Amino acid sequence: DIQMTQSPSSLSASVGDRVTITCRASQSVSSSLNWYQQKPGKAPQLLIYAASSLQSGVPSRFSGSGSGTEFTLTISSLQPEDFATFYCQQSYDFPWTFGQGTKVEMK
Amino acid sequence: EVQLVQSGAEVKKPGESLRISCKGSGYSFTNYWINWVRQMPGKGLEWMGRIDPTDSHINYSPSFQGHVTISVEKSITTAYLQWSSLKPSDTAMYYCARQPGNWNPLDNWGQGTLVTVSS
Repeated sequence: DIQMTQSPSSLSASVGDRVTITCRASQSVSSSLNWYQQKPGKAPQLLIYAASSLQSGVPSRFSGSGSGTEFTLTISSLQPEDFATFYCQQSYDFPWTFGQGTKVEMK
Repeated sequence: EVQLVQSGAEVKKPGESLRISCKGSGYSFTNYWINWVRQMPGKGLEWMGRIDPTDSHINYSPSFQGHVTISVEKSITTAYLQWSSLKPSDTAMYYCARQPGNWNPLDNWGQGTLVTVSS
């Protein structure tokens, strides 16, 4: 199985901050890397697919980059509605695997 | 509008069987795989398996193979996740999510079905 490791596991930030979350794969997943946001009590929602493509309807302050084994999710200016848990997920090889999650909390 | 609507919350006893459902609408059901994802209380997301509604081909995660069964009835655009003998450790939220084939993301998710297993 491909192991996905996110860092940090949690972070505290303020509205307006630039936030970066890293996801590392135990082997190359090419660009088959996706990012999801999950708010408490809600289903996950797709933010970024294929490492850097913004899902329709997602604000442009979200961006993704990387390929192979190293990926980042960046929120350029954190908004109140962005406080949530973020997960990366590889869809390169079965079984699909998720990172452990990064919880973004208000400072 | 694309929708995946899951069946309601369940409370079961250990050893009981259960089948939960996920009904797709607003899109061509056979053009998208249906995945199942588990989230145990306070924990992260775990991929369980996926089914292709076109031919019912299934890939299971090794962690869940033999413990659950995934199936589909494409005539009613519904996928299922079932257990023959529940354990307390099956207590979790279960999500279905559609995927437009290999290397693609899980682009739409159901609202989740909470399964509680307790004596």
